[in-house]
Amino acid sequence: EPEVTQTPSHQVTQMGQEVILRCVPISNHLYFYWYRQILGQKVEFLVSFYNNEISEKSEIFDDQFSVERPDGSNFTLKIRSTKLEDSAMYFCASSGAGAYSYNEQFFGPGTRLTVL
Amino acid sequence: QQQVKQSPQSLIVQKGGISIINCAYENTAFDYFPWYQQFPGKGPALLIAIRPDVSEKKEGRFTISFNKSAKQFSLHIMDSQPGDSATYFCAASMRANQGGKLIFGQGTELSVKP
Repeated sequence: EPEVTQTPSHQVTQMGQEVILRCVPISNHLYFYWYRQILGQKVEFLVSFYNNEISEKSEIFDDQFSVERPDGSNFTLKIRSTKLEDSAMYFCASSGAGAYSYNEQFFGPGTRLTVL
Repeated sequence: QQQVKQSPQSLIVQKGGISIINCAYENTAFDYFPWYQQFPGKGPALLIAIRPDVSEKKEGRFTISFNKSAKQFSLHIMDSQPGDSATYFCAASMRANQGGKLIFGQGTELSVKP
């Protein structure tokens, strides 16, 4: 069964450093998302991406964040200058197109980002 | 108005019992309501979803009940099993035909005792 994959599973970085989180969405999906979950809290939307551009972003997704689909398979989230409060689990998700499948978002296993 | 409120925060059920988790929303523009199951250290997994044109959807032991006028929906897990012990999130989305973002509830930690 196709699945969303994410690398790395755990990333430790120093405050102020840049990190890139990588995702491989399900191959025939068209919509891509990043969410984050601070330990013990709910899942929060960061950004959605469609047709090679951001379709929606949250207040959390400020100038230090960026997303890119550098090729036909990868989808990345870059945090330019990490802060302590960026420590969280980051989930990539994707959804397809067509009747009733465009909202069925499938999540990857997540990348745990720890900022020291 | 974008919030989805979920209750209870935690739930303990005996094996074989019925687990019921409730969610409420304000924004009538929401048009897709999924439930996700999350095990520790894993990503949320889509469990079951409903659209506002139906009042109930059943898949195996899992049933969503939807009350459009009350703006509430709930997840019922029949014959609950220890393997169902996980955190459950309700969510809502709008602009269903445009890949709209999911807005999640706060989560319910379910523990099913043998």
